[in-house]
Amino acid sequence: AQSVTQPDIHITVSEGASLELRCNYSYGATPYLFWYVQSPGQGLQLLLKYFSGDTLVQGIKGFEAEFKRSQSSFNLRKPSVHWSDAAEYFCATLDSNYQLIWGAGTKLIIKP
Amino acid sequence: DGGITQSPKYLFRKEGQNVTLSCEQNLNHDAMYWYRQDPGQGLRLIYYSQIVNDFQKGDIAEGYSVSREKKESFPLTVTSAQKNPTAFYLCATTPVGDHTGELFFGEGSRLTVL
Repeated sequence: AQSVTQPDIHITVSEGASLELRCNYSYGATPYLFWYVQSPGQGLQLLLKYFSGDTLVQGIKGFEAEFKRSQSSFNLRKPSVHWSDAAEYFCATLDSNYQLIWGAGTKLIIKP
Repeated sequence: DGGITQSPKYLFRKEGQNVTLSCEQNLNHDAMYWYRQDPGQGLRLIYYSQIVNDFQKGDIAEGYSVSREKKESFPLTVTSAQKNPTAFYLCATTPVGDHTGELFFGEGSRLTVL
């Protein structure tokens, strides 16, 4: 069965520092991969998605993610974080029934 | 404004009571979903509906019920059979046939059982 693993429950980063959130997936074929963000007490918003083609994907709010088949990874990056980036981030993949399979999420904490 | 409205935002219920969470959308999306969110567990699918008068169970449907009488509305009832109902509930939509995986979410309803 397909699965998504986000190894880090919490990540703390200083404001202005770079960020990388990890995501690993299990799937034989080329997966459809997504990153969503959830601000406290809110719904989720799509940051970016990968279906095929260029393995470096640009998203909203200055985020990017790189698909690495050899590592079964789809890590989310941002060169310089802002206090407003504090949120929970979810990686997800699409299964054969076009339903999303979610990782457990990584909570990003920003130090001033 | 186009969007998804969930109500109420906060709800308290006594054990043994049923409670219904509302989800209304004006995006003209065919598919609607209910997810449950617990800390450290990500999102778990309760029910989904791709067309009016039809819905399917998700991974954790036990203790929940839904209806889809109108395209715009997909209410979720948390019944007394749900053993641990305290959670954050999220409604989402997507256009059917749009197999891009992009879901549009409401702001959620937090249910607390006293």
